[in-house]
Amino acid sequence: DTAVSQTPKYLVTQMGNDKSIKCEQNLGHDTMYWYKQDSKKFLKIMFSYNNKELIINETVPNRFSPKSPDKAHLNLHINSLELGDSAVYFCASSQDLKTQYFGPGTRLLVL
Amino acid sequence: AQSVTQLGSHVSVSEGALVLLRCNYSSSVPPYLFWYVQYPNQGLQLLLKYTSAATLVKGINGFEAEFKKSETSFHLTKPSAHMSDAAEYFCAVSGNTGFQKLVFGTGTRLLVSP
Repeated sequence: DTAVSQTPKYLVTQMGNDKSIKCEQNLGHDTMYWYKQDSKKFLKIMFSYNNKELIINETVPNRFSPKSPDKAHLNLHINSLELGDSAVYFCASSQDLKTQYFGPGTRLLVL
Repeated sequence: AQSVTQLGSHVSVSEGALVLLRCNYSSSVPPYLFWYVQYPNQGLQLLLKYTSAATLVKGINGFEAEFKKSETSFHLTKPSAHMSDAAEYFCAVSGNTGFQKLVFGTGTRLLVSP
C-alpha cells in the first residue's frame, strides 16, 4: 500500500485553466504539506496543515488554495494557471513533526 | 531562520569509491537535519536524520552522516559507491520545536561510473 499518494501523476494543461491535485496519506499522520520543486530541482514548502488547520502558509500567490477535507487528505487547487506554475508538486505527511514522508509527485506542465 | 548550503551541484565517483556529499547549515535554533534521496522521476526518500541524539547517524543503503556543531556541517558519506546510488541528494534543516518547515538545499547530483 502506498503511504502517501498523489493524483494525477502527470498534468498537462493550458494557461488560464483551473486544476486540482489530490493527496492522500494512509499513515494516520496529523500533519500534511505541499512542496513545489522547480525546474532546477529546488524544493520549497508552500503550505502545511495540522488536523485540517492551516499552520504554514508561505508566500504563495493566492491562486493556490489548499483544502483539507479531513486529516488524511490535502488537496491543492490552482486557479488561472500560468507558465511559471510548471513544476513538480510534492505532498508530504508527518506525525512527529520531525520526519516527513513524501508522495511520488505530480508533474504539472502549463502550455 | 534556517538555511542549507550543499557544496557541489554534481559529484562524480567511480564504483567502489568513497562518496562524500557536503552540507552546511545555518540555524537560529538547535536544528534537526535530514538527507533525502530522489531517483529520477520519483519522490523523495528519507536516507537518515539527526534529531539531537547521536551525532553519527546511520541510514539506509549504507549511508551515514555526522553532525558537527562546531563546523555547522552534516556531510553524507558512504564507504563504497554502487551504480544504484546515482541520484539527486538533498540536505534539509528544520527547527526542533513545534510546527517547523523543512528548508532544503539545492541538491547534489551523484554520478557513479563503472
